[in-house]
Amino acid sequence: GESVGLHLPTLSVQEGDNSIINCAYSNSASDYFIWYKQESGKGPQFIIDIRSNMDKRQGQRVTVLLNKTVKHLSLQIAATQPGDSAVYFCAENLAMDSSYKLIFGSGTRLLVRP
Amino acid sequence: ETGVTQTPRHLVMGMTNKKSLKCEQHLGHNAMYWYKQSAKKPLELMFVYNFKEQTENNSVPSRFSPECPNSSHLFLHLHTLQPEDSALYLCASSQDGTTQETQYFGPGTRLLVL
Repeated sequence: GESVGLHLPTLSVQEGDNSIINCAYSNSASDYFIWYKQESGKGPQFIIDIRSNMDKRQGQRVTVLLNKTVKHLSLQIAATQPGDSAVYFCAENLAMDSSYKLIFGSGTRLLVRP
Repeated sequence: ETGVTQTPRHLVMGMTNKKSLKCEQHLGHNAMYWYKQSAKKPLELMFVYNFKEQTENNSVPSRFSPECPNSSHLFLHLHTLQPEDSALYLCASSQDGTTQETQYFGPGTRLLVL
């Protein structure tokens, strides 16, 4: 079926610690995944993406890991800062007849404690 | 800023009103999208336009009527809405909607139907 879900609705971390946000997807045919960050009062903001021919991709302070065997995606944030507090969504890019459709998970709220 | 703007940012309307939401993208993209984001559901795709042609209507009620006069502008016309239509309406754009690509979101219009 078409579903992307997040394991934890809320994650609280100490400032400076690393954060790990997890996501499970169900469509084994999907081969492109995106992580978005949504701050209060704003639209989702692109963070990082990964294609299925990769297991890991790194950005600035963020790393995305993809485990196709168990259909699991994670977002790691290094040295978490107060500005990282937001809701994080994973999205699965699903091929339709002639286009692609983003299927979003329900989101995880990240709270950073000072 | 993502290059996608939406107006108005907030809207309160009665069930008998007619209003329109506007989206404009300055990214040179050819695909545009409307999403609905409510409190307890993942982002829901409503409509997709690709090169001004509607390519997806995700079983949206007819009280929502999209319009795409050109690749840079997208409207969502609202009439006789219900209180359960209260939500954040997000516009997004992508390069051409036919390949795996990132969608860039606007800030959204927060709609309250009384």
